[in-house]
Amino acid sequence: AQSVTQPDIHITVSEGASLELRCNYSYGATPYLFWYVQSPGQGLQLLLKYFSGDTLVQGIKGFEAEFKRSQSSFNLRKPSVHWSDAAEYFCAVGGLTGGGNKLTFGTGTQLKVEL
Amino acid sequence: DTGVSQDPRHKITKRGQNVTFRCDPISEHNRLYWYRQTLGQGPEFLTYFQNEAQLEKSRLLSDRFSAERPKGSFSTLEIQRTEQGDSAMYLCASSLVGVTGNEDNQPQHFGDGTRLSIL
Repeated sequence: AQSVTQPDIHITVSEGASLELRCNYSYGATPYLFWYVQSPGQGLQLLLKYFSGDTLVQGIKGFEAEFKRSQSSFNLRKPSVHWSDAAEYFCAVGGLTGGGNKLTFGTGTQLKVEL
Repeated sequence: DTGVSQDPRHKITKRGQNVTFRCDPISEHNRLYWYRQTLGQGPEFLTYFQNEAQLEKSRLLSDRFSAERPKGSFSTLEIQRTEQGDSAMYLCASSLVGVTGNEDNQPQHFGDGTRLSIL
């Protein structure tokens, strides 16, 4: 069964500082990996996705993520955080297993940005 | 592209009542998903449709839950005899999958959800 672990429930960073949110996954085949962001009371917005190819993927809002198969990780990074980045971030895994690419999400990391 | 639309945004009801939510996917998307998100958790898969066919249902979807997508466009999720544990955000997502079904990697686009509160 596929699963996702986001070990950090809360993270606080200062505006302008760099950010790394951790994600580890378990999946029996080649995974499709996603990062979504959710603001309070809102749905999820796709930040970036990895399917194959270059293991460093660029997303919207200056975010990037690196797929490391040997570590089963897909960590999200941003070099300089803005106050508007405060939100909850979810890592998700899906894939071509005949399961319709239903996503399995982690429990999320709540990001707080200090001004 | 008007995005995925869900209605209502909020629903408050008494325990034991029936509720129905609606999801309008992105117009050309043939796949539609329902997820449930409880406080402090990530979304959990409930069910999905390809066109009008419901292809999979999670074990989370008890007999009190039913979902339809009668014409392959909008979808409804009904909960009968609501219970306290049904309180959650119900999220709908859609994606476009190729004819061969080999493009399962297309990202899912989410609506803003319907928040259900059971009194």
